[in-house]
Amino acid sequence: DSGVTQTPKHLITATGQRVTLRCSPRSGDLSVYWYQQSLDQGLQFLIQYYNGEERAKGNILERFSAQQFPDLHSELNLSSLELGDSALYFCASSRSSGTLYPEAFFGQGTRLTVV
Amino acid sequence: TQLLEQSPQFLSIQEGENLTVYCNSSSVFSSLQWYRQEPGEGPVLLVTVVTGGEVKKLKRLTFQFGDARKDSSLHITAAQPGDTGLYLCAGLNTNAGKSTFGDGTTLTVKP
Repeated sequence: DSGVTQTPKHLITATGQRVTLRCSPRSGDLSVYWYQQSLDQGLQFLIQYYNGEERAKGNILERFSAQQFPDLHSELNLSSLELGDSALYFCASSRSSGTLYPEAFFGQGTRLTVV
Repeated sequence: TQLLEQSPQFLSIQEGENLTVYCNSSSVFSSLQWYRQEPGEGPVLLVTVVTGGEVKKLKRLTFQFGDARKDSSLHITAAQPGDTGLYLCAGLNTNAGKSTFGDGTTLTVKP
């Protein structure tokens, strides 16, 4: 158990819909990172928040957005869903404000299936 | 864009064999991490290497960071079925606050 909690574990939804994925970081961690893992593109960095502020942005589509709340949990919002958005979405957390160094802990992921 | 190429993509071996997987890039990284991911789980950090030429050992796993900090290898001695999983390398550019993952090597160790 990494201490990072992601809900829901599985999500099935139709094209065009909007979903929200939730992440609770490890106690004391201020950074939250979101990643998308699909079969054909590996693990892609989407966005990072540190203590409520956006810190770094990766390959995140305009249809996707995220935020980190004062209690440090984070939500990833995916809208106008397409079949190609089907993937595993991981959240990771760390104490540092930078990238994954020295150590980040990953949650178990949310498997999103768009039908 | 910093790209990381991992090879081989798939590897299936018998218990007790040795193996090496590679992570290569044309870019220089501040540090490099190796993760292992099992089905249905998130990646778990195995090691972080920071210095060019650095070698780190974790039981039967040996990690090496290239002298130029552009590549890395993971060597497993006497592989066991419990080593089965997806091995991912991640190059970190700490100054830019960016990380790049390779596509992974799927290792299967048969008993």
